[in-house]
Amino acid sequence: GAVVSQHPSRVICKSGTSVKIECRSLDFQATTMFWYRQFPKQSLMLMATSNEGSKATYEQGVEKDKFLINHASLTLSTLTVTSAHPEDSSFYICSARDPASTNTGELFFGEGSRLTVL
Amino acid sequence: AQTVTQSQPEMSVQEAETVTLSCTYDTSENNYYLFWYKQPPSRQMILVIRQEAYKQQNATENRFSVNFQKAAKSFSLKISDSQLGDTAMYFCAFTGGVQGAQKLVFGQGTRLTINP
Repeated sequence: GAVVSQHPSRVICKSGTSVKIECRSLDFQATTMFWYRQFPKQSLMLMATSNEGSKATYEQGVEKDKFLINHASLTLSTLTVTSAHPEDSSFYICSARDPASTNTGELFFGEGSRLTVL
Repeated sequence: AQTVTQSQPEMSVQEAETVTLSCTYDTSENNYYLFWYKQPPSRQMILVIRQEAYKQQNATENRFSVNFQKAAKSFSLKISDSQLGDTAMYFCAFTGGVQGAQKLVFGQGTRLTINP
């Protein structure tokens, strides 16, 4: 299956700093990527849909200025948590749809990134 | 808006037993896809099984099978001959639209423990 890679897998930062998480599709071009957030023992909540070459579409309640998403190429989307605070600590997961699998609806997931804000 | 509901927060069975995880969903779409994903302690999301709504036949992947009841909007997962490695969080998920192009919506998850 298609491979999606996330980096870094773990990041610890001080409150007030910004953190960037990268999501790459390694063997396919992804026009659309999705960013999810997962709190401990909870489900995955969609934050935003990242569209290559255009602005991301954010879910209701997600702060656009807090969570900046850039999808500058067909293989890379980035999530930047700006002015991070302890309440932003969470597990962030990206996913992408392989155009070759569009008739299956399947999404391929990255390994996830655990953010801890001190 | 589509919703996915998993009513069993936790389940526990003995190794080699069969276990069924429940999932219901709500949608007005006619064309959609349903999935079961597994999330082991590593947190990597792994696709277990997929069902296209237009297919009446229930999907099967080795020890994993589904009972898809479209009219009832029910999509349960049966794991036969359960193994210790099946211990994980299991999420039911839905995506709709043409060729499943819409976003993937997850249920709350069921924590499954297989006991030796």
